[in-house]
Amino acid sequence: EIVLTQSPATLSLSPGERATLSCRASQSVSSYFLDWYQQKHGQAPRLLIYDASNRATGIPARFSASGSGTDFTLTISSLEPDDFAVYYCQQRSDSPPGLTFGGGTKVEIK
Amino acid sequence: EMQLVESGGGLVQPGRSLRLSCAASGFTFDDHAMHWVRQAPGKGLEWVSGINWNSGSIGYADSVKGRFTISRDTAKSSLYLQMTNLRPEDTALYYCAKARGVDWNYGMDVWGRGTVVSVSS
Repeated sequence: EIVLTQSPATLSLSPGERATLSCRASQSVSSYFLDWYQQKHGQAPRLLIYDASNRATGIPARFSASGSGTDFTLTISSLEPDDFAVYYCQQRSDSPPGLTFGGGTKVEIK
Repeated sequence: EMQLVESGGGLVQPGRSLRLSCAASGFTFDDHAMHWVRQAPGKGLEWVSGINWNSGSIGYADSVKGRFTISRDTAKSSLYLQMTNLRPEDTALYYCAKARGVDWNYGMDVWGRGTVVSVSS
């Protein structure tokens, strides 16, 4: 089973700063099945990035993502007040078949 | 506007059963796989189950395999999760989510607000 480890667990930054979030897989993951989600407090998650690097509909350009194999990164170029939230990566595997989420990274206001 | 509305949650004793429903609107239900994802209080997201567009392929997390059954009704544009032999560790907010494609190996691009399931004696 592929395990996704997100780091850091918490990122304390100020508005305007750059945020870099990491998602590391225990085995190689196809880029076509690595997504990122944002979850604000008390709300349902929202799809940010699909297939490792493609922004979902309506997602601002300050969000970008990259990676392949076992290492993936989500970058927020300049934090807006609305961006302080928890971010999850998620992947799909064939063996065993299923989807898994990382443990999440909380981006909080410093 | 695409919308998913979950229902059926509640307080149930360990070992009992519960059926969750999810009503979909604003998109062609037949064209998309669907998922159930849960979130225990204060914890992260856990994928529970997925079903492809025509119910021909279904997947479950190991934690619920053999106890939960996912299904869908095209005529009613609805998704279901039959949960049996419930355990305290199944306590969570259960989200219904639309997959980006026809297969459940695609991630989720539309989410409902969730329905709460509490398992306690």
